[in-house]
Amino acid sequence: DTAVSQTPKYLVTQMGNDKSIKCEQNLGHDTMYWYKQDSKKFLKIMFSYNNKELIINETVPNRFSPKSPDKAHLNLHINSLELGDSAVYFCASRPSTATYEQYFGPGTRLTVT
Amino acid sequence: AQSVTQLDSQVPVFEEAPVELRCNYSSSVSVYLFWYVQYPNQGLQLLLKYLSGSTLVKGINGFEAEFNKSQTSFHLRKPSVHISDTAEYFCAVSVRAGTALIFGKGTTLSVSS
Repeated sequence: DTAVSQTPKYLVTQMGNDKSIKCEQNLGHDTMYWYKQDSKKFLKIMFSYNNKELIINETVPNRFSPKSPDKAHLNLHINSLELGDSAVYFCASRPSTATYEQYFGPGTRLTVT
Repeated sequence: AQSVTQLDSQVPVFEEAPVELRCNYSSSVSVYLFWYVQYPNQGLQLLLKYLSGSTLVKGINGFEAEFNKSQTSFHLRKPSVHISDTAEYFCAVSVRAGTALIFGKGTTLSVSS
């Protein structure tokens, strides 16, 4: 029954490593997003894909690369992890570009040591 | 550019007391407004939304919010809170369908007995 799922839920890794976070939605939605929630709980958009096409790419270091193999999946790959990348990363989806509300996954807590 | 200001970072209340969480926005165009709730270690859940029509909107868990265009506000209210309402509450705006949400910095609601 899970609508938007993310794996892993927790990720602890060392500086300099490369890691990926996966997101899947079974809602049939066309649009998917990645948000970053920092230590002060501030949420900010990173990327958005619509039907596998990148439509939003905020000012994010190019160490972050989203990939959408199909419209139900949006993965986030991070190269050369830094301490400042520690945050909670949320995936979200929206039914279509004609709708407004978004549905969020449970989040992935990334800790870089 | 749009922005959202949540005027209170923390709101402590006693169980069964009424509560109001304040949200103001800034935008030169029409906006669509949302309140999301984040329970500890969980993702965001949509509480309610204002897209058009009646300015008083009702959401889940007994919450309601009123859109006031002249004051550019969208305050969230509940007449009687429960311990289980303890969570982080986020106000968000969108200026058109398909765009990312712009979030406020959140308000921590702490309900005690």
